[in-house]
Amino acid sequence: NAGVTQTPKFRILKIGQSMTLQCTQDMNHNYMYWYRQDPGMGLKLIYYSVGAGITDKGEVPNGYNVSRSTTEDFPLRLELAAPSQTSVYFCASSYSRNTIYFGEGSWLTVV
Amino acid sequence: KQEVTQIPAALSVPEGENLVLNCSFTDSAIYNLQWFRQDPGKGLTSLLLIQSSQREQTSGRLNASLDKSSGRSTLYIAASQPGDSATYLCAVPLADRGSTLGRLYFGRGTQLTVWP
Repeated sequence: NAGVTQTPKFRILKIGQSMTLQCTQDMNHNYMYWYRQDPGMGLKLIYYSVGAGITDKGEVPNGYNVSRSTTEDFPLRLELAAPSQTSVYFCASSYSRNTIYFGEGSWLTVV
Repeated sequence: KQEVTQIPAALSVPEGENLVLNCSFTDSAIYNLQWFRQDPGKGLTSLLLIQSSQREQTSGRLNASLDKSSGRSTLYIAASQPGDSATYLCAVPLADRGSTLGRLYFGRGTQLTVWP
């Protein structure tokens, strides 16, 4: 059972570089989410999607973009990386209002 | 804006103790509350989900209660074990009633250590 898979697990970026965090789920969930977690803090919602072709901003969307072309994939794009984007990123999915499933996280450092 | 607070921030206990972790939220207009467990270097695992119409929910040695009127939830862990060592987070949806389950506000968590 793969569940929610995120890649890469670790990445170091230089200021101004761009990258994409990949997320895929094999549970046919309609809802998908990206959260970030800063040290000692709770998770904050970046973007979410309620289905293919539909995305919306969460609490902290600035500096990020997403797309949802298929049910399975929900990549998160970082444009012009900044030190403030150093964080752990979690992708998650759920079916309607049922239990939410999280990936294992992607550790990103911007130097 | 919904604010979620968890007390204590850290807890260290010997094996076998019964524990209570606390979670409070500022906007009582919620329709559920969820407790998660997070192990170091791992993602979050959902432990219990309580609907607003429920007072409590149980799973094995875990029991979660919800008091919407006072904006509080507690997670009770019976007969704690070293394997229970992890960070426990509570989360509630954004205040608008159209929210999906996953649009959650999280507390900072309680870091639990159970020593043998």
